[in-house]
Amino acid sequence: DAGVTQSPTHLIKTRGQQVTLRCSPISGHKSVSWYQQVLGQGPQFIFQYYEKEERGRGNFPDRFSARQFPNYSSELNVNALLLGDSALYLCASSSTYNAGNTEAFFGQGTRLTVV
Amino acid sequence: SQQGEEDPQALSIQEGENATMNCSYKTSINNLQWYRQNSGRGLVHLILIRSNEREKHSGRLRVTLDTSKKSSSLLITASRAADTASYFCATGNAGNNRKLIWGLGTSLAVNP
Repeated sequence: DAGVTQSPTHLIKTRGQQVTLRCSPISGHKSVSWYQQVLGQGPQFIFQYYEKEERGRGNFPDRFSARQFPNYSSELNVNALLLGDSALYLCASSSTYNAGNTEAFFGQGTRLTVV
Repeated sequence: SQQGEEDPQALSIQEGENATMNCSYKTSINNLQWYRQNSGRGLVHLILIRSNEREKHSGRLRVTLDTSKKSSSLLITASRAADTASYFCATGNAGNNRKLIWGLGTSLAVNP
């Protein structure tokens, strides 16, 4: 079975641009969460989606948005990129609605560099 | 915001030695999990311990949880060079089940 897949693996964008990151969860998993990990720190929660609806949102500005599709894949969009958005963006899928109560399966991440 | 603090921030040991990492957290939890991350890529789940458990084992891993002290430890026995990675604790909080809250991680180097 395929694990969580994320694309692209690396991305370089210019300040002010917009970016879309993609994630496909493990087959059968309906919950997708997005995390931002800045170098040298732990991941920070951005969003959780379950059954195509936003179920949780972290402390990120409105420039960050996401959606989940009928096949449970998900996209994370970031508008008006800032240098501080440079990070590893991680997607995690889990089998339950309460994503904090169960094992999370992570993709390899998208390394975003904003110049 | 970060929930946990791992201690130490960095650890260097020789192959065959044991490695112990500690994690402290701030709020009431449902569970605490440990993950491993190689070279800044994806995180791999190692073990989950629920708030009503005190100790759990998985292969060479032993995790303890002390909810009265809001702390956990991860012991890796008979370490190998392949164990070199960053290790993170993450908590599922009692008040919000939608996410995991992460510590800053411990960077472990196992020297051959």
